[in-house]
Amino acid sequence: DAKTTQPPSMDCAEGRAANLPCNHSTISGNEYVYWYRQIHSQGPQYIIHGLKNNETNEMASLIITEDRKSSTLILPHATLRDTAVYYCIVRVPNNAGNMLTFGGGTRLMVKP
Amino acid sequence: AAGVIQSPRHLIKEKRETATLKCYPIPRHDTVYWYQQGPGQDPQFLISFYEKMQSDKGSIPDRFSAQQFSDYHSELNMSSLELGDSALYFCASRSTGGAKETQYFGPGTRLLVL
Repeated sequence: DAKTTQPPSMDCAEGRAANLPCNHSTISGNEYVYWYRQIHSQGPQYIIHGLKNNETNEMASLIITEDRKSSTLILPHATLRDTAVYYCIVRVPNNAGNMLTFGGGTRLMVKP
Repeated sequence: AAGVIQSPRHLIKEKRETATLKCYPIPRHDTVYWYQQGPGQDPQFLISFYEKMQSDKGSIPDRFSAQQFSDYHSELNMSSLELGDSALYFCASRSTGGAKETQYFGPGTRLLVL
């Protein structure tokens, strides 16, 4: 799996958009970008994933640059409950036994 | 919607004892993963099973073993426990071939070895 680089921590004001960047300059053509988050001591939670087009769901939006070397996860209106560690993971989906490799992540602190 | 169930949620053991953690995947999910998360660390992959067969192995100590049963539940067996085994253990399940290929995590088992 391609290596990713994320800032270790970020702050965001409640109600504002949180923009979490991820660099994955060595991504290969068949690898997707996945985002998971882990609220303190809970199991990681899937947020969103994409290949090259921008994606949006009820939780967040994912913006992938045209060269696919970086992406940004956007939480449009952050709440206190969004405080968590956010992991950007690049991998090929749908391979049987394909584990997730968690590394670093961004600790997002949403403040009142 | 049904989620991944793990039991027990908390477990306290002494050094050199054994422990068994159980995982019940989401119905119709055929793949189970085990992860270990030490204090202040990221989750680390231990082992996975697909259709009751071991499919991948990560940094799982030889003292640990696991299996997936005919009803797809999985058990992680840990022997000769060491202080360093104190961690959160997460199980995740996945349905292969789905349009949204993703893993769903359970709430975890917190193991404390004294």
